[in-house]
Amino acid sequence: DTAVSQTPKYLVTQMGNDKSIKCEQNLGHDTMYWYKQDSKKFLKIMFSYNNKELIINETVPNRFSPKSPDKAHLNLHINSLELGDSAVYFCASSHGTVNIEQFFGPGTRLTVL
Amino acid sequence: AQRVTQPEKLLSVFKGAPVELKCNYSYSGSPELFWYVQYSRQRLQLLLRHISRESIKGFTADLNKGETSFHLKKPFAQEEDSAMYYCALSPPGGGSQGNLIFGKGTKLSVKP
Repeated sequence: DTAVSQTPKYLVTQMGNDKSIKCEQNLGHDTMYWYKQDSKKFLKIMFSYNNKELIINETVPNRFSPKSPDKAHLNLHINSLELGDSAVYFCASSHGTVNIEQFFGPGTRLTVL
Repeated sequence: AQRVTQPEKLLSVFKGAPVELKCNYSYSGSPELFWYVQYSRQRLQLLLRHISRESIKGFTADLNKGETSFHLKKPFAQEEDSAMYYCALSPPGGGSQGNLIFGKGTKLSVKP
């Protein structure tokens, strides 16, 4: 089944903890992204990697650190979780970076208590 | 500044009624415009893009550069069209390559 997959689907954790969300795509794409969808359903780009190189790093706290071990994976590590980090995080991938369709993962709902 | 505006947070229509979801953009150039849809409990997926000029699930969208709009239309709404719709803009190369700038989304509710 070709797709973008994310684990875990749900993540509930305490404030101050460190957690990771994993993303994998088997579509052969060279670009991967992380988006954050807040409680009002607003979607905003966080990071973008092209061929394992960071090309977009929007204004996010440096507690968020993406890691791309290879072109098929882009993981998101979050240190010292805060209440405001609660959101749905979507991974996406695309072939190339310009004016192309992005394929989204199912999302990871993070709840920080 | 690059911006996508969807003025309606919620749009509620009856089955069979015409639907128009509004989208206006702010960008000095010729961006690529998209409509993405998120059905309940499903992932975000591309509905259509202006460059392909196609009709998907009965939906069409015309890019109006004069009005900087990319409204999504369907002549007869179906209950299965109920979903969250996002208009998105992709800058034409250079700058922040690859990112999609999303509007805040419009929730379409089609009532029987």
